[in-house]
Amino acid sequence: IAGITQAPTSQILAAGRRMTLRCTQDMRHNAMYWYRQDLGLGLRLIHYSNTAGTTGKGEVPDGYSVSRANTDDFPLTLASAVPSQTSVYFCASSEGAGAITDTQYFGPGTRLTVL
Amino acid sequence: GQNIDQPTEMTATEGAIVQINCTYQTSGFNGLFWYQQHAGEAPTFLSYNVLDGLEEKGRFSSFLSRSKGYSYLLLKELQMKDSASYLCAVLDSNYQLIWGAGTKLIIKP
Repeated sequence: IAGITQAPTSQILAAGRRMTLRCTQDMRHNAMYWYRQDLGLGLRLIHYSNTAGTTGKGEVPDGYSVSRANTDDFPLTLASAVPSQTSVYFCASSEGAGAITDTQYFGPGTRLTVL
Repeated sequence: GQNIDQPTEMTATEGAIVQINCTYQTSGFNGLFWYQQHAGEAPTFLSYNVLDGLEEKGRFSSFLSRSKGYSYLLLKELQMKDSASYLCAVLDSNYQLIWGAGTKLIIKP
């Protein structure tokens, strides 16, 4: 079934540890996104990629890095986790050609707790 | 700055009609999206409006007025499964999606 997968589903992490959240899509979408969602704040964009080989910073990029080596994969890395990075992380993708093709399709999310 | 406003929470009765409003101020406009998000799940696409007027899709309709910076999502014949958060998002002039904080809809029997 076509879609987006994320791993892990949930994780408890000690502060200071490095962590990579994985995201893979099989829809051949050009654009991919990482969001965090916190209660009362809605979705906030961390990083995005309009096409393989390019990345950009979103609204809250500090403490996170991404790479886009190919079309399908878009991993998000926390170099040294802090408790304020406790959140639900969603990966999304879109065709990225503007307007209705910018409809974003979301993965199931990763619930991350940093202690 | 860019801003999208939605009510935080609404309550409605099963079988009734509810209207969820969204007002926006963004740098440019390339369309407005509505998403549904059940608790503990990912957002899923409901509708897209780029022209003024009403778009109907089954029990759900979405309206847009670009001159007023205003949209609403209309849900008819409410069912318990419609209990969810509804997210409004606007595609700005840079084709970045600006998200509202969402409206939590509670359906009572």
